[in-house]
Amino acid sequence: EIVLTQSPGTLSLSPGERATLSCRASQSVTSSYLAWYQQKPGQAPRLLIYGASSRATGIPDRFSGSGSGTDFTLTISRLEPEDFAVYYCQQYDSSPWTFGQGTKVEIK
Amino acid sequence: QLQLQESGPGLVKPSETLSLTCTVSGGSISSSFYYWGWIRQPPGKGLEWIGDIYYSGSTYHNPSLKSRVTISVDTSKNQLSLKLSSVTATDTAIYYCARRGSSSSRRYFDSWGQGTLVTVSS
Repeated sequence: EIVLTQSPGTLSLSPGERATLSCRASQSVTSSYLAWYQQKPGQAPRLLIYGASSRATGIPDRFSGSGSGTDFTLTISRLEPEDFAVYYCQQYDSSPWTFGQGTKVEIK
Repeated sequence: QLQLQESGPGLVKPSETLSLTCTVSGGSISSSFYYWGWIRQPPGKGLEWIGDIYYSGSTYHNPSLKSRVTISVDTSKNQLSLKLSSVTATDTAIYYCARRGSSSSRRYFDSWGQGTLVTVSS
């Protein structure tokens, strides 16, 4: 099973700032089969990024993903008020599909 | 527009079986392009994948739950179902149904239901 470790656990930032979230895998995620999701309180997760760097339909270009192998990053270039949420990475390289424990982006 | 809607009892007694249904609308569960899955989230915690099913009945399961999980599909009703046996308080969670692609490059979850909270308590 591929274990995903996200850091930091919480990121305290102000609107307009840049957010950098990390996701590290316990073994290589081949073909960059890694996704990122955003979850707001009381809502289901929403797909942001797939294939490590491809934005899902309707996702603003301030969200970008990068990385390969065992190290992946989600970057939000300029935080908007609606971006404060919890973010999860997920690998779909090998079953069982696994999620990271999440990074909460909170308003400073 | 694709919609997934979970339904089922919100309260289950310990040792009993949790049963949920997900109704898919705005798309066919018989599509060859997708698997349909279950993911859960204990209150205030992270996401755990439970398992997926293809319209043909082919399934993937999380080994941590496999012995207790049954996932089935009813193509005539455009529904998938989850049964989790011998539940304990640790099975208390929001249960989501979700769609993922069937090809290896598209196995991410691109559409989710709103989720349903199931509490295990006597």
